Amino acid sequence: EIVLTQSPGTLSLSPGERATLSCRASQSVSRNYLAWYQQQPGQAPRLLLYDTFVRATGIPDRFSGGGSGTDFTLTINRLEPEDFAVYYCQQYAVSPTFGQGTKVEIK
Amino acid sequence: QVQLIQSTTEVKKPGASVKVSCTASGYSFTNYAITWVRQARGQGLERMGWISGHNGNTKYAEEVQGRLSLTIDTSTNTAYMEMRSLRSDDTAVYYCVRDNDYIWGRGYFDYWGQGTLVIVSS
Repeated sequence: EIVLTQSPGTLSLSPGERATLSCRASQSVSRNYLAWYQQQPGQAPRLLLYDTFVRATGIPDRFSGGGSGTDFTLTINRLEPEDFAVYYCQQYAVSPTFGQGTKVEIK
Repeated sequence: QVQLIQSTTEVKKPGASVKVSCTASGYSFTNYAITWVRQARGQGLERMGWISGHNGNTKYAEEVQGRLSLTIDTSTNTAYMEMRSLRSDDTAVYYCVRDNDYIWGRGYFDYWGQGTLVIVSS
């Protein structure tokens, strides 16, 4: 099983700032099969990115993904009020697993 | 548009069983899989199992192996999750999600149901 560790646990930022979230895997994620999800309170998660950097349908271009191997990042440029949420990474190179989440909160 | 509509809240006693449905629309059911993910209150996401819409093959997480059964009805494009011998720590929101890998169970999840709250309490 690939264990995903997200950091930081909580990120306190102001609207308009840039958020950088990290997802580290316990072993290499082949073919960069990594996805990111956003979850608002009381709602189901929503797919943001897959294959490390491909944006899902309707996702604005302020969301970008990068990385390879064991280290991946989600960057949110110019935070909008609706971006304050919890973010999860997920690998699907082998039996899928999720990270524990990073909360982006308003500073 | 793609939709996954789940059945409503269930309240069960410890030791009982629960069956949750997930009806898909807006896409070809047999070209995708359904994965079930649960989330306890205030906690993260846990993948429980996967079922191929193509042939009904299944995979289960070790934590629920033996207590979880996933089935599909391709005539109604509905997936079912049945969990037996419920415990209090099974209390969670259960999501069905569309999985893009109907062969190996190694996919990402592009559409989510609204979630079904299952409460296990005496």
